[in-house]
Amino acid sequence: AQSVAQPEDQVNVAEGNPLTVKCTYSVSGNPYLFWYVQYPNRGLQFLLKYITGDNLVKGSYGFEAEFNKSQTSFHLKKPSALVSDSALYFCAVRDKGYSTLTFGKGTMLLVSP
Amino acid sequence: NAGVTQTPKFQVLKTGQSMTLQCAQDMNHEYMSWYRQDPGMGLRLIHYSVGAGITDQGEVPNGYNVSRSTTEDFPLRLLSAAPSQTSVYFCASSPDTRSYNSPLHFGNGTRLTVT
Repeated sequence: AQSVAQPEDQVNVAEGNPLTVKCTYSVSGNPYLFWYVQYPNRGLQFLLKYITGDNLVKGSYGFEAEFNKSQTSFHLKKPSALVSDSALYFCAVRDKGYSTLTFGKGTMLLVSP
Repeated sequence: NAGVTQTPKFQVLKTGQSMTLQCAQDMNHEYMSWYRQDPGMGLRLIHYSVGAGITDQGEVPNGYNVSRSTTEDFPLRLLSAAPSQTSVYFCASSPDTRSYNSPLHFGNGTRLTVT
């Protein structure tokens, strides 16, 4: 089975500060990991993915994510938050043996001016 | 390039009514899927299809039917609507189920209320 957990319902950060949104996963094989962002009244948009290789993955809008196999984590990071980054963020995992993607419950990121 | 198009954007049904949520993609994607989004529960997979003529159940299939007669279209049918089906429904597609690294492309959703 594959599963993913986002332990924080909400993350608050001031504009200009670094941000981290946490994600941990569970798979039986090698994970394929994704981050998506959802703005109000819109569908999810792809941010970045980890397949194999470098543990630090760079994605859209200045976001990056750090893969840690020993901690089974894939935390989303950004060095300097913008108010416009405020949105709902979803982590997702796909085990190589599966054809479907499993999503976490989402973390609301609020960036204050 | 329209991507994934969902219609309608909003719908209100009475308990027991049936309806079809439409989903169309113009990217020639093999894989299509339906998710429902509920507060505090994230996205849960309802049904998915790996190609025309092939469908399978996801995590929460009860009360829903799907078919895939063409590559482009993947409608979701509610057989007899119940208040528990009040949700936001998203259709998503990706190029190839054999490419495990292919991200999903989402439509903008259908907000359904069942009274």
